[in-house]
Amino acid sequence: EAGVTQFPSHSVIEKGQTVTLRCDPISGHDNLYWYRRVMGKEIKFLLHFVKESKQDESGMPNNRFLAERTGGTYSTLKVQPAELEDSGVYFCASSQDRGAYNEQFFGPGTRLTVL
Amino acid sequence: AQSVSQHNHHVILSEAASLELGCNYSYGGTVNLFWYVQYPGQHLQLLLKYFSGDPLVKGIKGFEAEFIKSKFSFNLRKPSVQWSDTAEYFCAVNAMGSQGNLIFGKGTKLSVKP
Repeated sequence: EAGVTQFPSHSVIEKGQTVTLRCDPISGHDNLYWYRRVMGKEIKFLLHFVKESKQDESGMPNNRFLAERTGGTYSTLKVQPAELEDSGVYFCASSQDRGAYNEQFFGPGTRLTVL
Repeated sequence: AQSVSQHNHHVILSEAASLELGCNYSYGGTVNLFWYVQYPGQHLQLLLKYFSGDPLVKGIKGFEAEFIKSKFSFNLRKPSVQWSDTAEYFCAVNAMGSQGNLIFGKGTKLSVKP
């Protein structure tokens, strides 16, 4: 069974540019989570999809971040325009069922550097 | 607000030494507790979890953790570490009844010298 995949693995962009990160969850997993780790800080929750619906986006930092999950399969996270403080590692995770008891399987992360 | 504290940023041990990594959480309600591990170049993976029952939880690769409710702690232990345990370890919680979003500590890097 393929795990959670993320693309790209690394992205280096200039401040003001746009970047789109992609996450492909494990097949059949309805729940998809985005997290971010800024250097030296903890991994922080950004948002949660159940199929194509945003269940909780309380962790999204501001309106420069837009997440989508059209069709309930893969998800994209777009940052437009990127700022220096957006640099970090963006993790995606998926789980089969929603709720606190379900194990989340993480992808390898996308390392974003904004210059 | 919920938070998780991991006491050590970087721990360096020799092989066969015993390991204990501290984790404390702050939350007024019932939580589920997790330890995740990220080996160099690999994904975050679940090491062990506690939902209820016996507060001493055993995970993969000889790791265990003890939930002490009165201390809001969930420390990770291993009696004898190996070089292959070199990794970053993350303590995390989620609230009972939540949608599952995890709150992580800052992580502890463990370096094991052969």
